[in-house]
Amino acid sequence: DQQVKQNSPSLSVQEGRISILNCDYTNSMFDYFLWYKKYPAEGPTFLISISSIKDKNEDGRFTVFLNKSAKHLSLHIVPSQPGDSAVYFCAASANFGNEKLTFGTGTRLTIIP
Amino acid sequence: DVKVTQSSRYLVKRTGEKVFLECVQDMDHENMFWYRQDPGLGLRLIYFSYDVKMKEKGDIPEGYSVSREKKERFSLILESASTNQTSMYLCASSPNTGDYQPQHFGDGTRLSIL
Repeated sequence: DQQVKQNSPSLSVQEGRISILNCDYTNSMFDYFLWYKKYPAEGPTFLISISSIKDKNEDGRFTVFLNKSAKHLSLHIVPSQPGDSAVYFCAASANFGNEKLTFGTGTRLTIIP
Repeated sequence: DVKVTQSSRYLVKRTGEKVFLECVQDMDHENMFWYRQDPGLGLRLIYFSYDVKMKEKGDIPEGYSVSREKKERFSLILESASTNQTSMYLCASSPNTGDYQPQHFGDGTRLSIL
């Protein structure tokens, strides 16, 4: 039972354009959401997070949007750069992050120069 | 900067062997985690620990055990390795500060069971 779903296994975007990565969840107890980025042969690194008390969080080129009623979140990267090419994992937790993380299956983002 | 070190980047073992994967963190974090990453399945939590000598089962604990004798070290044990345990194994740690802190990951151990 996949409680966190990333339905697009891969995405290609032109350099300089906006990349939008999507994530859906089914567990209504989740109230804290994160995005991790993973390069080949490295561990995932934390990118950005959002609590369910917000609907948007921004950090430089990265913005995460949360739609609680639709149980959907998205990561926007603008402008996209070649170094953004990586696998992106969405993750969710209950109790405002104090419970274990549940990860999605990942989306491989390729930025085309 | 937080450093999570996994003892081996690549490991090849045989079916039935007992396998130890070691993880050490240098930031005095209370929480430590073991995941496996498989294509199309993302990261799945095997075991985690909130303190020395404590352990909790994750989502897929079958066939695995863990040991945490010291705060900085968290070991994953495959009691009798099987081919379906061929995977990328990732260790992570995080502090227990009351508010949420992201997990920091090691670079992974790619384990092949022949």
